[in-house]
Amino acid sequence: QKEVEQDPGPLSVPEGAIVSLNCTYSNSAFQYFMWYRQYSRKGPELLMYTYSSGNKEDGRFTAQVDKSSKYISLFIRDSQPSDSATYLCAMSASAAGNKLTFGGGTRVLVKP
Amino acid sequence: GAVVSQHPSWVICKSGTSVKIECRSLDFQATTMFWYRQFPKQSLMLMATSNEGSKATYEQGVEKDKFLINHASLTLSTLTVTSAHPEDSSFYICSAYQTQNNEQFFGPGTRLTVL
Repeated sequence: QKEVEQDPGPLSVPEGAIVSLNCTYSNSAFQYFMWYRQYSRKGPELLMYTYSSGNKEDGRFTAQVDKSSKYISLFIRDSQPSDSATYLCAMSASAAGNKLTFGGGTRVLVKP
Repeated sequence: GAVVSQHPSWVICKSGTSVKIECRSLDFQATTMFWYRQFPKQSLMLMATSNEGSKATYEQGVEKDKFLINHASLTLSTLTVTSAHPEDSSFYICSAYQTQNNEQFFGPGTRLTVL
């Protein structure tokens, strides 16, 4: 069993819809939770960073962490075709910038 | 955000040769850099943690004699794939840790193809 599980998709939504992404994990030591966006043949770009449980909102993006369920989510409102990418969740036990464990990534396609 | 570059962006080599990949933090100093490998449609797998002025720490299953890492300065880490074989073909991504923001910034990746 992988430490971090993420549905690979693809997840196809119409433009303007809400994109809902999630990851589950097994390591209760994870304290820092990140969401990255990766375009094809590019490096990942940090979207959201959350420490411990709770919600965090930044523009069209909302990240949620439920440590009791070992479940994290990312919501993208008013999705745009430019949001089409692979979204990776990542976690760390120590600090956000230290050793990260990534999920497999979910490919998202927003259709105009 | 901070900028991390990688060179080359892609490389094709013959089996048995060695390939060096550079990772540079362009506008900040990074005492710690990370090297990841990503196979098609798979996630990033951490290969090693590179610390400036000391030996790299390799993840389990990663051959340290095959993947040589050097972090000679606060802005440069290099990964050398020695005696490359076709199974080493992959997308190699580095990241640099910026302590000020407590964040890893990723390079654009290097696509290695071994014939």
